[in-house]
Amino acid sequence: ETGVTQTPRHLVMGMTNKKSLKCEQHLGHNAMYWYKQSAKKPLELMFVYSLEERVENNSVPSRFSPECPNSSHLFLHLHTLQPEDSALYLCASSRQASEGYEQYFGPGTRLTVT
Amino acid sequence: QQPVQSPQAVILREGEDAVINCSSSKALYSVHWYRQKHGEAPVFLMILLKGGEQKGHEKISASFNEKKQQSSLYLTASQLSYSGTYFCGTEIFTGTASKLTFGTGTRLQVTL
Repeated sequence: ETGVTQTPRHLVMGMTNKKSLKCEQHLGHNAMYWYKQSAKKPLELMFVYSLEERVENNSVPSRFSPECPNSSHLFLHLHTLQPEDSALYLCASSRQASEGYEQYFGPGTRLTVT
Repeated sequence: QQPVQSPQAVILREGEDAVINCSSSKALYSVHWYRQKHGEAPVFLMILLKGGEQKGHEKISASFNEKKQQSSLYLTASQLSYSGTYFCGTEIFTGTASKLTFGTGTRLQVTL
């Protein structure tokens, strides 16, 4: 499989559930990102990982917890979410976390919080 | 602060041209352009770097005015496949990571 993959593609969860989103990149990149895309809002950067180290947390609530066990895998652990957290969550990767490198996006996980 | 894109939406007939603009209030290292079709992931189109270097799509052109902190994407002889939402992303480097801040997008529809 090539590119950036995400699972699951769709997720419905209650506010008291705990779930995880998974992202895998097959591009040999060293940087990975989580973005949130809500309706009628721009893509919002959540977290940046470079060589498995978190290098950016864009003021994201603690109910979102990222994990990067190696440079190919990225997780987003979710717990006690709110309905306003319903959105498309996109993972991306780039060769490095430095300037000027294009990002490759996965297809996203459509999350609905009930 | 997010960049401002204009227009918000545009409808073209196949073969017509369009320009999408992106402006920022902050000094930029680079501007990225992506296209997202409904239900799909955003796809990289082009990066314009400070100093004039460009990386990206052969059939799409863009400009970057560093002084004005503006970029424009030029779509010429549009095809049906150009339909989608176009996002510009303005890039700053925090010292540890590159951060892209995306605009709200320009919805482009190409019709026969």
